[in-house]
Amino acid sequence: DVKVTQSSRYLVKRTGEKVFLECVQDMDHENMFWYRQDPGLGLRLIYFSYDVKMKEKGDIPEGYSVSREKKERFSLILESASTNQTSMYLCASSFGVSGSEFPYEQYFGPGTRLTVT
Amino acid sequence: GEDVEQSLFLSVREGDSSVINCTYTDSSSTYLYWYKQEPGAGLQLLTYIFSNMDMKQDQRLTVLLNKKDKHLSLRIADTQTGDSAIYFCAETGRFGAGTRLTVKP
Repeated sequence: DVKVTQSSRYLVKRTGEKVFLECVQDMDHENMFWYRQDPGLGLRLIYFSYDVKMKEKGDIPEGYSVSREKKERFSLILESASTNQTSMYLCASSFGVSGSEFPYEQYFGPGTRLTVT
Repeated sequence: GEDVEQSLFLSVREGDSSVINCTYTDSSSTYLYWYKQEPGAGLQLLTYIFSNMDMKQDQRLTVLLNKKDKHLSLRIADTQTGDSAIYFCAETGRFGAGTRLTVKP
């Protein structure tokens, strides 16, 4: 059974704190993604990674950074949390397009609801 | 940037058919997807359609694709209360805002 886990389901942080969100997948997927989900806006891509130590900016990377030191783990970092980063954060993984002839299905974790006060 | 758009809410009665519509702009997408998100959970792939197909049927689900109009729809036959969820239309890596389907008994 495929699995994507996220370190916390709920997190409350103060403005200005450094925040780490961790994601681990056990499917040996090449690609990993971080999204934020906000009502009425759906999922917006923050960053993605197609290989270890590789990263690409998504649609809304400002205020975030990422780290992928191992294939199975992708971390999202908020260097100085702000109230407008209060959101649901979803991690996902998938096989690389070149590695699969099947649809580019993404497998999602349960999400981390982050509140910044 | 490219956009995927869908209406935000749909309410139906149990036993009726539900139709969720979506428009997209990236004509190069090879696959188009429907994901389902149940309360408190992440997204799960519900079904997908290859871009050279017009229709795909999978039990109670029917996906229709109109490439000319860049329009995708998901029809759920005999909708049940367990189908209540948020449904996301997606191209590769790009998602719509999600349609919240409410099924009334």
